[in-house]
This record gives sequence, structure tokens and C-alpha cells, in this order.
Amino acid sequence: ELKVEQNPLFLSMQEGKNYTIYCNYSTTSDRLYWYRQDPGKSLESLFVLLSNGAVKQEGRLMASLDTKARLSTLHITAAVHDLSATYFCAVVKTSYDKVIFGPGTSLSVIP
Amino acid sequence: ETGVTQTPRHLVMGMTNKKSLKCEQHLGHNAMYWYKQSAKKPLELMFVYNFKEQTENNSVPSRFSPECPNSSHLFLHLHTLQPEDSALYLCASSTYRNTEAFFGQGTRLTVV
Repeated sequence: ELKVEQNPLFLSMQEGKNYTIYCNYSTTSDRLYWYRQDPGKSLESLFVLLSNGAVKQEGRLMASLDTKARLSTLHITAAVHDLSATYFCAVVKTSYDKVIFGPGTSLSVIP
Repeated sequence: ETGVTQTPRHLVMGMTNKKSLKCEQHLGHNAMYWYKQSAKKPLELMFVYNFKEQTENNSVPSRFSPECPNSSHLFLHLHTLQPEDSALYLCASSTYRNTEAFFGQGTRLTVV
């Protein structure tokens, strides 16, 4: 059974600092997604990672995938308050299996 | 605005009521999903429809009944719910099953 873990689950960081959120999963996977959710809002797709070594960047966020280690990272560079949200990774084993979401990392960026 | 619209946004219902949640997508997607998001729990996939056919039912109690009349619309019919069913219910759609999903704003359901 595919299991997805994230750490940390809660993260409070100062503006301007860098940090990394980790997503580990238990079996081989076809693809991995990162989503963002603002309080009381829906989920917004951030990145789709399809292959080993994939790296994608959007603004201050960069996501990478290491399929051999079954690990994805979401790196935050020079955090700003607008990045405060909950970040979820989601993994799908194959297109015939269900998508499994991680528990989410609640990020709070403070001045 | 993601192109996936859910109504109502908020719903309070008694345990003996019957209500329906509606989801509509105008993205030309072929797969639609219902998810449940409860406090302190990971997002739970409830149902998957691919080309209007239900392909997944993750042991969801029969008091939740999905309906997908066409690839643009998805309903979740609710009856005799329990207080523990109170949660945010999210609809999503994707081009094909398990490709990048686009989520609606959700329906915040409270069962009293």
C-alpha cells in the first residue's frame, strides 16, 4: 500500500529565510504533485513531477524528485508572507491506482 | 477561479435530511473526483469517475451516493448523515484519470 509522509508538518519561518519541505513515499511511483491550499480555500496545483531528477521552479518555490530515494523536496527561497499556506504532495503509483495525498505541511511566514 | 465550480459553498443539514452537492467543470476534462477533507486527517479520495464511469469507490458509506450524468457534472447525494461526516468536500477534475487535478472551492458541510 502506498503511503505518503511529509515533514515537517508545521513550519514557522521568518521572511527572507530558506527552507525545504520533504515528501517521502513508500513504493515506486508514476508521478508526484505538489499543491498549495490557503486557509478556507481550495487546492491549487503547483508542480507536476514525472521523472527521476525532475526539477521545476516557479518564483520562490522549487520542487525536485528523486524516484530512487522515493523523495521529493519543495524548497522555499527567501520566504515572503504570501507563501503562508498548507502544502501537500500527492503521489500516484500508476494511472490505474488512486492518488494518495500526504498530510500537508502548514507553513507560516512571519515578519 | 480554476474552472471547477461547486455549489453550495456552505451547507448545514440535520441527520435526517437529504441534500445534494453539485460540481461542474468547463475544462473539457474526462475524469472527476470527490474528496473529503477533515480536520487533522489527510485528504481522502471518495469516488472517481473516468469518462462518466465510476472507477473507484473507496469504501465510502452508502449514505454518500455519487452521480455523474455527463463528463462536466458530478453530484454527491447525501442522506442520513452523521456528525462525523462534517467536513470540507472537494470536487476535482483532470484531463484523464490521475493527471494533474484542478479543484473546486469546496462545500463546507456541517451535520447537526
